[in-house]
Amino acid sequence: AQSVTQLGSHVSVSEGALVLLRCNYSSSVPPYLFWYVQYPNQGLQLLLKYTTGATLVKGINGFEAEFKKSETSFHLTKPSAHMSDAAEYFCAVSRNAGKSTFGDGTTLTVKP
Amino acid sequence: EAGVVQSPRYKIIEKKQPVAFWCNPISGHNTLYWYRQNLGQGPELLIRYENEEAVDDSQLPKDRFSAERLKGVDSTLKIQPAELGDSAVYLCASTPGQVNTEAFFGQGTRLTVV
Repeated sequence: AQSVTQLGSHVSVSEGALVLLRCNYSSSVPPYLFWYVQYPNQGLQLLLKYTTGATLVKGINGFEAEFKKSETSFHLTKPSAHMSDAAEYFCAVSRNAGKSTFGDGTTLTVKP
Repeated sequence: EAGVVQSPRYKIIEKKQPVAFWCNPISGHNTLYWYRQNLGQGPELLIRYENEEAVDDSQLPKDRFSAERLKGVDSTLKIQPAELGDSAVYLCASTPGQVNTEAFFGQGTRLTVV
């Protein structure tokens, strides 16, 4: 069985500030981990993914995430928030033939 | 290349009425998923197809939901009869089939049951 917990359903930052969105997972086997972004009335778009290899993963729009096995975490960060980053972010874990389990999402608000 | 296409984008129906959603996955993607996303929650898998075979439908409420993927390409998801609690966004996604690849999502169909 696999599950995902996203800590904080809402995160608010000022433009230019650090973005940190938290994700913890549980998986009985080594996981594949994903971060998706969802803009209003849109489908989910992949930001980045971890499968194997380097534990620090860089994605689109300046986001990155680090896989920490000991902490079962895959937190998403961006050094400097931009207004266009305002959206909902979903962490997902997958292993079994592509079946992904999603967290409940974190809504990111960016204040001017 | 076109992404995953879903229609309609929005649907409002009265309870007890039937409704159907359509999905056209990315060309060449053998694996197709239907997810339901309730307000304020992440997507939850309803059914997964490998080509035309439904290989995981354990979360599909079979008393009222049905799905098909004839010829292993397009897929339809049907609800009959709809209930108020079925109001949600229904997302279709596809992948080439490898387990370490991300899912490509359509824009979803927002269903409102009144």
